[in-house]
Amino acid sequence: AQSVTQLGSHVSVSEGALVLLRCNYSSSVPPYLFWYVQYPNQGLQLLLKYTSAATLVKGINGFEAEFKKSETSFHLTKPSAHMSDAAEYFCAVSAGTGNQFYFGTGTSLTVIP
Amino acid sequence: DAGITQSPRHKVTETGTPVTLRCHQTENHRYMYWYRQDPGHGLRLIHYSYGVKDTDKGEVSDGYSVSRSKTEDFLLTLESATSSQTSVYFCAISQTGVDTGELFFGEGSRLTVL
Repeated sequence: AQSVTQLGSHVSVSEGALVLLRCNYSSSVPPYLFWYVQYPNQGLQLLLKYTSAATLVKGINGFEAEFKKSETSFHLTKPSAHMSDAAEYFCAVSAGTGNQFYFGTGTSLTVIP
Repeated sequence: DAGITQSPRHKVTETGTPVTLRCHQTENHRYMYWYRQDPGHGLRLIHYSYGVKDTDKGEVSDGYSVSRSKTEDFLLTLESATSSQTSVYFCAISQTGVDTGELFFGEGSRLTVL
């Protein structure tokens, strides 16, 4: 069985500050892990994905995430927040093609000028 | 961007009426999915398809049916809409032959049931 927990449904940061969005997963098989971003009134867009090739994954818009097996975590970070980063972020886990995706409940990021 | 089109994008209907949402893809991908998004619940899988006429239920399938008569089209039907089905519905597709099975999403269909 697989599941995802996102800690913090709302996160606020100042512009230029570090962004840290937390995701913990549970999986009985080696997982594929994903972060998606959703801007208002839009669909979800893939931000980055972990495929076991490297534990530190870089994505679009300066975001990155680190896979830590010992902590079952896949936290999303960005060194310096920009106003355009304000959005909803979803962590997801999958066992691979044809298998179900399991999404977290999402974290809404607010960036304060 | 993946070629996924959802229609209608917005719909308001009354309780008890049938509603069909359409998802059309131009990518020739094998897997197609319908999710609903609600505050505090994230995305929940309603139904999915792994080929023409091959569909299966997700975690919240009650009150919904689907059909896939062509590779490019995946229809979601609410036989008799209820207020609890007010939601934003997303179609997603998954590329064949890619191990990760990452999903590509449509823009969503906002349904309001009065």
